[in-house]
Amino acid sequence: GESVGLHLPTLSVQEGDNSIINCAYSNSASDYFIWYKQESGKGPQFIIDIRSNMDKRQGQRVTVLLNKTVKHLSLQIAATQPGDSAVYFCAENIESGGSNYKLTFGKGTLLTVNP
Amino acid sequence: DVKVTQSSRYLVKRTGEKVFLECVQDMDHENMFWYRQDPGLGLRLIYFSYDVKMKEKGDIPEGYSVSREKKERFSLILESASTNQTSMYLCASSLPDSDTQYFGPGTRLTVL
Repeated sequence: GESVGLHLPTLSVQEGDNSIINCAYSNSASDYFIWYKQESGKGPQFIIDIRSNMDKRQGQRVTVLLNKTVKHLSLQIAATQPGDSAVYFCAENIESGGSNYKLTFGKGTLLTVNP
Repeated sequence: DVKVTQSSRYLVKRTGEKVFLECVQDMDHENMFWYRQDPGLGLRLIYFSYDVKMKEKGDIPEGYSVSREKKERFSLILESASTNQTSMYLCASSLPDSDTQYFGPGTRLTVL
């Protein structure tokens, strides 16, 4: 079956640098994507989302880019801080009748920010 | 802010016990979900519910059941706990016309 995946399982950056976390998806019918942050011992926390009719969306220090041509999604974190250290994972929604609001999740990338 | 709470952060049970995991949300969300999260496997959907007394199987429903008697509460039941059900269990909720799911803090269940 089709699934959401990640290019890199771990990413280590220096404090103040920009971070880029990638996600590949294989279902061209997916029309909604969402990024979550999960700190150790906590539940996933919503960061930002994007619909397939957009290429880019910006939040506070975060930007999500969607390239539908190559089915690629990325999360950019500007001026990464130690508090950004967490597992980040993407999820996609495939519009499918009665299961419209089911999300399929990637396995996650561990971001470590070094002071 | 959306608040999703789960009854326990940590739980230890014995094989064969009946286990109840409770989830409550305070934002009047119609949709509620139960996932388990395991290293290397990510989040996998167990059951979900679009309304009171409604439930649908997710990707891994075997060994689990659910109950949705009230809109704000969604319970996950392990009829006879087994060691392979040791996992982090996450509850989420969303509005009926929204894809954005909000998660609770999780319950780490250990079955001995």
